Amino acid sequence: EADIYQTPRYLVIGTGKKITLECSQTMGHDKMYWYQQDPGMELHLIHYSYGVNSTEKGDLSSESTVSRIRTEHFPLTLESARPSHTSQYLCASSGPGRSYEQYFGPGTRLTVT
Amino acid sequence: GQSLEQPSEVTAVEGAIVQINCTYQTSGFYGLSWYQQHDGGAPTFLSYNGLDGLEETGRFSSFLSRSDSYGYLLLQELQMKDSASYFCAVRDNQGGKLIFGQGTELSVKP
Repeated sequence: EADIYQTPRYLVIGTGKKITLECSQTMGHDKMYWYQQDPGMELHLIHYSYGVNSTEKGDLSSESTVSRIRTEHFPLTLESARPSHTSQYLCASSGPGRSYEQYFGPGTRLTVT
Repeated sequence: GQSLEQPSEVTAVEGAIVQINCTYQTSGFYGLSWYQQHDGGAPTFLSYNGLDGLEETGRFSSFLSRSDSYGYLLLQELQMKDSASYFCAVRDNQGGKLIFGQGTELSVKP
């Protein structure tokens, strides 16, 4: 059983607010990822990390930022939320040499009004 | 550019066999993964092909042909609980990003 957690599960917030989506995993995985997924659509990689103090932007342009200060923690921050940020955000992790097998958290469904 | 093509929808009946195809065109290729996602849920890993051929995991099998840039997921003895979206994903380098296809929505009918 994979142990990867995301909070909050649901968030409704007004335009211009700063928000941080939390993601933690207890598996000691080195790699972590953030995806954005609209209903019925594919997953788009927005950020990833290969280890502590390593972060990269993904294939989808995003106005968010991430940090990886501890192995188990990979928070995503939106400095100023906009309605276009309304989506589901999925965090995932994978172990050494197993990037093909990613474990996903339950997701945060974000609505910006 | 990079692209993965899957059928958007597939319908089958309980007990049947269904094949979901995936063709890809990517700048790098190290293997093809398959994920299942139930409505409202998170994706879960099903299978991975790093080499050509067939991988079998219970009722699910996955196939890869690197020369044809093609793979498929085969689901046997379909059950109602198999109704979900299925995504193929290319591992584009040894280190580890995945590029996901747009997903195939499978509906299993009684």
